[in-house]
Amino acid sequence: AQSVTQLDSHVSVSEGTPVLLRCNYSSSYSPSLFWYVQHPNKGLQLLLKYTSAATLVKGINGFEAEFKKSETSFHLTKPSAHMSDAAEYFCVVSDPDTGRRALTFGSGTRLQVQP
Amino acid sequence: NAGVTQTPKFRILKIGQSMTLQCTQDMNHNYMYWYRQDPGMGLKLIYYSVGAGITDKGEVPNGYNVSRSTTEDFPLRLELAAPSQTSVYFCASSYSIREGGNTIYFGEGSWLTVV
Repeated sequence: AQSVTQLDSHVSVSEGTPVLLRCNYSSSYSPSLFWYVQHPNKGLQLLLKYTSAATLVKGINGFEAEFKKSETSFHLTKPSAHMSDAAEYFCVVSDPDTGRRALTFGSGTRLQVQP
Repeated sequence: NAGVTQTPKFRILKIGQSMTLQCTQDMNHNYMYWYRQDPGMGLKLIYYSVGAGITDKGEVPNGYNVSRSTTEDFPLRLELAAPSQTSVYFCASSYSIREGGNTIYFGEGSWLTVV
């Protein structure tokens, strides 16, 4: 069975400082991994995805994530936070080989950006 | 580009009432999903469909029904609304979850309150 653990429920950074949102996963197979962002009262937007190509994945708005199989991690980073980055972030895993099941979501990390 | 469109955006139901959340996508996607998101939680899969005429249960199907008569539409029905069904509901679609982690596209959500 697949699962996702987001290690921090809340992260607060100052504008212009680096962002690190941590995610660990459990999967029986070679997973696909995603980061989605949800702004208040909005739907989910895909930031980036890993699908067994390059382990360092670049996404939109300056975000990137590194897939580390030995650590079963897929942490999301950004060098310099912007006020508009304040949102809820979800790490998501998908095991296409295990059948027709869809995505498994982490519980989310709320990012606050202080001026 | 309409993408995934769900209606209504907001609804208040009384206990025991019934309603249908509508979802339509214009991307010719085979896979469609309904998720619910409870406060402070990630999304949980209610039902999904891999094509017209085929539906299957997700993690939390009790109290809900779905149908998929066309590729475009995937309505979610609540037969006897209960307070536990107060949540935000997201419809989503993708080309194929088996195809190496295809992106899942989400609607903007439907806020449902049962009183």
